[in-house]
Amino acid sequence: DAGITQSPRYKITETGRQVTLMCHQTWSHSYMFWYRQDLGHGLRLIYYSAAADITDKGEVPDGYVVSRSKTENFPLTLESATRSQTSVYFCASSVRNQPQHFGDGTRLSIL
Amino acid sequence: QQQVKQSPQSLIVQKGGISIINCAYENTAFDYFPWYQQFPGKGPALLIAIRPDVSEKKEGRFTISFNKSAKQFSLHIMDSQPGDSATYFCAASMTGKLIFGQGTTLQVKP
Repeated sequence: DAGITQSPRYKITETGRQVTLMCHQTWSHSYMFWYRQDLGHGLRLIYYSAAADITDKGEVPDGYVVSRSKTENFPLTLESATRSQTSVYFCASSVRNQPQHFGDGTRLSIL
Repeated sequence: QQQVKQSPQSLIVQKGGISIINCAYENTAFDYFPWYQQFPGKGPALLIAIRPDVSEKKEGRFTISFNKSAKQFSLHIMDSQPGDSATYFCAASMTGKLIFGQGTTLQVKP
């Protein structure tokens, strides 16, 4: 089925490790987004991309790196994971000025 | 100025009742106000949205009321059903980026 898929769905890692969360969409949407969801904070934008090779910071970018070499993929990397990055991460995509469609999330625990 | 404040944090409603969730924003440059519904283990899904040139939008049992002068908007769920039990997020958008409220957990009792 077409849509937006995130992998892995669950991940446990240790502080200081590098971890990459994957996001793939089959709609050819130009815009892609990464959010983190924490209790009491709703969803906060980490990074977004308006097109391949174009990325920009959101509200909480520190400690994260993104890339977008292909329109359909938008990986998020934690270069040196910290406990404060334990969260549920959501990827979304959209066409310009249209609603965002979300994946089902990656639950990341950092011990 | 980028904040969106949502209340209440949680809400319990009897089946058939009206659920009301409120949001307030500060930045008058926001130009799109969606509401998202999220079930456990799933991503948020767009429920209904409004632009600031309209004071109300209705889709089935869901209505957004928008007060531009007060910088407030609310979601009304009429005839609430147990299947509506979920977390609801309001959001405000400018240049395509969404700023979310903190979320409201709705429980509809049978």
